[in-house]
Amino acid sequence: DADVTQTPRNRITKTGKRIMLECSQTKGHDRMYWYRQDPGLGLRLIYYSFDVKDINKGEISDGYSVSRQAQAKFSLSLESAIPNQTALYFCATSDARGASGGYNEQFFGPGTRLTVL
Amino acid sequence: DQQVKQNSPSLSVQEGRISILNCDYTNSMFDYFLWYKKYPAEGPTFLISISSIKDKNEDGRFTVFLNKSAKHLSLHIVPSQPGDSAVYFCAASAGSSYKLIFGSGTRLLVRP
Repeated sequence: DADVTQTPRNRITKTGKRIMLECSQTKGHDRMYWYRQDPGLGLRLIYYSFDVKDINKGEISDGYSVSRQAQAKFSLSLESAIPNQTALYFCATSDARGASGGYNEQFFGPGTRLTVL
Repeated sequence: DQQVKQNSPSLSVQEGRISILNCDYTNSMFDYFLWYKKYPAEGPTFLISISSIKDKNEDGRFTVFLNKSAKHLSLHIVPSQPGDSAVYFCAASAGSSYKLIFGSGTRLLVRP
């Protein structure tokens, strides 16, 4: 079974709709992250959370919100989707204790491909 | 302004030869660097990393070299195999921030 799962894997929605992307992990990691990938731009950080009570904005948080429902769950919401939010979205986790094999090594989910029409 | 740059969007190499992927950075506060590999329809997976106190780290066929004065790192794959064909991302972090800054990626094709 995958350690980091994302649902849905693919989603097509319309401008103005609210949409939620969900991430779950079984790695027991404290830290969780949301990234988006656009062609030619690599991965950019949207939000990150170091524990259930901690939420931080990344470099491109405008138009997004997050919720850390539990240590294992971190969801990303688009309150009113717009076409330039069409992208590949990745959730990632890391171990705050650095015991997972590498300093700040992050483990990624399989991604959600979101299309906003 | 991109702090981590991968200037070659693609690279094609013959099987068995060396693949060299390059990465440049601008932030002198970066002290840890990672390479990730990504196959289509999958998330990036960690490949190899290096701390700024080292100039080389090796893991099997993969070696990462760091030149701090030039703010440059490279990933060497020897020998290259067709299964290495993927997109490779360079990433960097500074101190205890635990945030990764990614480059735009290089697509490697290893020809049989």
